[in-house]
Amino acid sequence: DTEVTQTPKHLVMGMTNKKSLKCEQHMGHRAMYWYKQKAKKPPELMFVYSYEKLSINESVPSRFSPECPNSSLLNLHLHALQPEDSALYLCASSQDRRTGKIGELFFGEGSRLTVL
Amino acid sequence: QKEVEQDPGPLSVPEGAIVSLNCTYSNSAFQYFMWYRQYSRKGPELLMYTYSSGNKEDGRFTAQVDKSSKYISLFIRDSQPSDSATYLCAMSAGTGGYNKLIFGAGTRLAVHP
Repeated sequence: DTEVTQTPKHLVMGMTNKKSLKCEQHMGHRAMYWYKQKAKKPPELMFVYSYEKLSINESVPSRFSPECPNSSLLNLHLHALQPEDSALYLCASSQDRRTGKIGELFFGEGSRLTVL
Repeated sequence: QKEVEQDPGPLSVPEGAIVSLNCTYSNSAFQYFMWYRQYSRKGPELLMYTYSSGNKEDGRFTAQVDKSSKYISLFIRDSQPSDSATYLCAMSAGTGGYNKLIFGAGTRLAVHP
């Protein structure tokens, strides 16, 4: 079983709604990631947090707003999304180089988002 | 040219076959190499992790990295129907305090009884 927990597993929202995706890990990892995956495509990186600070934003539209309240939690706030934003949103975590090891990414099961 | 090339398949094999999955890459700075298995509608599951060149074995799975050829492989011995999934290669240079992975397209594998 994955040690990265994502909620909700499924989310349906209208284009005017505001919702949030949540991710939690208790492996002591200090790097956390949001990926977006469309059907039959590989995951695409959206954001990276390292030590609770945003390190990478891959030119993601502002209707996606990440937040890292602490080292174990990662949120993705959603507002005014478009139908083409429907996808599987994956959270991942990894060790940070400052711990002396840069390791594997561990993924959660994902949150399947449908925008109507 | 994509940084990581992977044949999307699909690849169909009989149960018990040896499966060979491959990726090529162009960035010589890559030094961390991973293989993930992804079942339909699930998150990617880490199968193998290799740093730099060499071989790594775990049960029925063997990962090989040839940095001189910029080529990585995953071998699955005695394949089972439960191995039917999409296999994603991923790699990174490991710069910075995090691991920015570049994924291949993924190869869909079907193992039939």
